[in-house]
Amino acid sequence: AQSVSQHNHHVILSEAASLELGCNYSYGGTVNLFWYVQYPGQHLQLLLKYFSGDPLVKGIKGFEAEFIKSKFSFNLRKPSVQWSDTAEYFCAVVAYSSASKIIFGSGTRLSIRP
Amino acid sequence: EAGVTQFPSHSVIEKGQTVTLRCDPISGHDNLYWYRRVMGKEIKFLLHFVKESKQDESGMPNNRFLAERTGGTYSTLKVQPAELEDSGVYFCASSQAGLLDTQYFGPGTRLTVL
Repeated sequence: AQSVSQHNHHVILSEAASLELGCNYSYGGTVNLFWYVQYPGQHLQLLLKYFSGDPLVKGIKGFEAEFIKSKFSFNLRKPSVQWSDTAEYFCAVVAYSSASKIIFGSGTRLSIRP
Repeated sequence: EAGVTQFPSHSVIEKGQTVTLRCDPISGHDNLYWYRRVMGKEIKFLLHFVKESKQDESGMPNNRFLAERTGGTYSTLKVQPAELEDSGVYFCASSQAGLLDTQYFGPGTRLTVL
């Protein structure tokens, strides 16, 4: 069965620190990869996505993610976090074979100290 | 453009009662999805409608859950009778006609079964 693993349950950083959230998935076929974010009191929203092409994907608010096929990874990065990045981040996969069903990771809660 | 809306935002019911959750997708979106997040766990797929037809209901936990999308517009998810383990946040998402189009999420309905 397909699954997504997020390495950290809760990450605490100071403003201006660099961020990397790990994500690995298990599926041998073609996938589309996503990072979603849920800010406090708000909807889940798409941060960035990878469908094909350049494995380094840039998203909103200065976030980027790199798809490394050989490692089944799609880690999220941001060089300098802000207090407003405090949120819960979800890595997600859609396998071509399962049409549009999204498989989510368990989420990483990011807390930024001002 | 209005986003995905869900009603109610919160529902507290007693075990054995019935609850109906409603989702209004973005206008014109053929695909409608239901997901659920049980406390502390990952967001899990429940089912997928294409217009009024159930495309994939492999994630529905059991026959106490009934989803409908009459007329291909809004959808309802009924839980009857509710059990304690049904507590969680129920998310609805919608996307346009393509199966791999971005899914836009609603704010969720927090269901508490006492």
